[in-house]
Amino acid sequence: AQKVTQAQTEISVVEKEDVTLDCVYETRDTTYYLFWYKQPPSGELVFLIRRNSFDEQNEISGRYSWNFQKSTSSFNFTITASQVVDSAVYFCALGAHNAGNMLTFGGGTRLMVKP
Amino acid sequence: DADVTQTPRNRITKTGKRIMLECSQTKGHDRMYWYRQDPGLGLRLIYYSFDVKDINKGEISDGYSVSRQAQAKFSLSLESAIPNQTALYFCATSDRGTGTDEQYFGPGTRLTVT
Repeated sequence: AQKVTQAQTEISVVEKEDVTLDCVYETRDTTYYLFWYKQPPSGELVFLIRRNSFDEQNEISGRYSWNFQKSTSSFNFTITASQVVDSAVYFCALGAHNAGNMLTFGGGTRLMVKP
Repeated sequence: DADVTQTPRNRITKTGKRIMLECSQTKGHDRMYWYRQDPGLGLRLIYYSFDVKDINKGEISDGYSVSRQAQAKFSLSLESAIPNQTALYFCATSDRGTGTDEQYFGPGTRLTVT
């Protein structure tokens, strides 16, 4: 069975602080994909990143960075110099080959960035 | 125009009523999905369809049914709505050809059952 855990249900920071959102996953599959989605207050889901299980390189995109560590089954997301517009719910998700490539989502982390 | 559309965007209905949520996509993808979102639970899969003749139950299919009318259309029905089906519902699509499972989501339908 697959499982994704986002232990932080809510995080509050002040603008310009760095913040890391944690994601821990469980799967028996050796081929899988990990995703992060952002859900702003308007409600839509915005794709942020996809990482496959064979690529452990960290990725940086502007103020966003992702740290994938297979040894700890984690795929953490860091926002540097947070801004009010980063306020949203962030979801981590796992898609595993032997699970028919279905996505399993974590419960989400609500990030509030205060001015 | 949006690639994945959902109608209605908001709906309030009464217990026991039948309701249908519709999803259309212009991405040409063969796979379509229905999820519901509840606070603290993330998104949970209700049904998925890999093509017009291939429909499968997801994690929480009880109380729901689906219809894949065409490659581009996938409808979710609540035969007799109950209050605990109040949730935000998302339709999504993906392309089998890429094998990467990236899913593209519609804007969501907020359903309230009173």
